[in-house]
Amino acid sequence: GGIITQTPKFLIGQEGQKLTLKCQQNFNHDTMYWYRQDSGKGLRLIYYSITENDLQKGDLSEGYDASREKKSSFSLTVTSAQKNEMAVFLCASSIENAEQFFGPGTRLTVL
Amino acid sequence: GEQVEQRPPHLSVPEGDSAVIICTYTDSATAYFYWYKQEPGAGLQLLMSVFSNVDRKEEQGLTVLLNKKDKQLSLNLTAAHPGDSAVYFCAVTQGGSAKLIFGEGTKLTVSS
Repeated sequence: GGIITQTPKFLIGQEGQKLTLKCQQNFNHDTMYWYRQDSGKGLRLIYYSITENDLQKGDLSEGYDASREKKSSFSLTVTSAQKNEMAVFLCASSIENAEQFFGPGTRLTVL
Repeated sequence: GEQVEQRPPHLSVPEGDSAVIICTYTDSATAYFYWYKQEPGAGLQLLMSVFSNVDRKEEQGLTVLLNKKDKQLSLNLTAAHPGDSAVYFCAVTQGGSAKLIFGEGTKLTVSS
């Protein structure tokens, strides 16, 4: 089996700040994903990447940048944190179009 | 594009009872269907995956039914126990892509 690691687990930022979240997987999966989960809501796709250096926009890409530095890692940047924003950011990976495996999440709070 | 509605948003059952969660999707070409479980403070754990040529799948006290005519997917937890308390999400693939469309989740509480 494999594991997905997300860092940091908790992230507190200031309004307007640029914040970076990191994800690592050792499944050797080709595709990686970033989702945003708001309280009491389902997941919305921000970005995904089907291979190293590839980037595809999801439904919620505005306000975010992403980077697939290598096959095992995928970073997400909040370009300008919004005041009072609170959400959980979940990273996932998969083989092609197969089931996705998720990391434990990064909990963002913006003061 | 594909849309997924999940109900109920909240479900409480006593220990030993069954719990049923239903998702309705819109795209008849949807090929893959998933159920995930999310415990507090954790990521999503895959419970079951079902391909569109399967009507029923059972594993370890869970039953997934796929009704393609009504575009409905259901998860039945038979004999629920307190450890099943969590938020459950259905998810379906969008067309032939890698993208998953999620339902909004069902918070299940099993009381002892």
